[in-house]
Amino acid sequence: DQQVKQNSPSLSVQEGRISILNCDYTNSMFDYFLWYKKYPAEGPTFLISISSIKDKNEDGRFTVFLNKSAKHLSLHIVPSQPGDSAVYFCAASSTNSGNTPLVFGKGTRLSVIA
Amino acid sequence: DSGVTQTPKHLITATGQRVTLRCSPRSGDLSVYWYQQSLDQGLQFLIHYYNGEERAKGNILERFSAQQFPDLHSELNLSSLELGDSALYFCASSVGGGYGANVLTFGAGSRLTVL
Repeated sequence: DQQVKQNSPSLSVQEGRISILNCDYTNSMFDYFLWYKKYPAEGPTFLISISSIKDKNEDGRFTVFLNKSAKHLSLHIVPSQPGDSAVYFCAASSTNSGNTPLVFGKGTRLSVIA
Repeated sequence: DSGVTQTPKHLITATGQRVTLRCSPRSGDLSVYWYQQSLDQGLQFLIHYYNGEERAKGNILERFSAQQFPDLHSELNLSSLELGDSALYFCASSVGGGYGANVLTFGAGSRLTVL
C-alpha cells in the first residue's frame, strides 16, 4: 500500500516555464511534507517543506502548495532552469504519532530543456 | 558534500554472500536512518537508530540487521544475499530522534549488485 504517490514518472518543461510536480497521499495522519531533489550518483537533498498548518510555503523559485482536503501537494518551480533537471521525491511524515519515519514517493524525473 | 559518509560506494558480490555497509552521520546528528531504493521504486525505509538505540523498524528483511555504535556510526549487514537485494542503499542522519518535523540529510548511497 503506497501511502505517498507520485503518479507522473517523468516531466519535460522548457527553460523559463513553470514546472509543476504533483504528489498525493493517503494517510490522514501525515502532517509534515517535504520535497527532495536527487541528481545522479548523489543522495537526495532537501529542497522545501510544509507543515499541515499552512497551505503554501515559498523559497525563492520553489513553492509548495498543500491541499489537505484533497490530500494533495504540489511543487512549483518558476522559472525552470536546466540545473533543475533531477528526480524529485515527495515525502511525508506524522509528527504526532510517535516516531514515524519519512515515507517517500517513487519520484518524478524532471527534464528542463534549454 | 552532505556530511553523511557512506562506504563502499559500489559493491558487487554473489548470491549467498554477506556484506556490510557503513555510514558515518553528519557531525552532531544522533539519528541514523537506512533506506533502500530498488529499480523504479521509491525510498523504502528500513530502520532508524537514535544514539545507539533502535527507534523504528520498517520493511527490513530478517536477513538484514543494523546497529549504531557509540561513536554514532552505523552498519547495515546484509546476509544470504539474493538477486533481488541489488539496490541503492542510502543512509541519512538527523539531529533529533525522529519526533516532530524532521529533515533528513542523506549520504550518496552504496550501490549493491548481487550476481
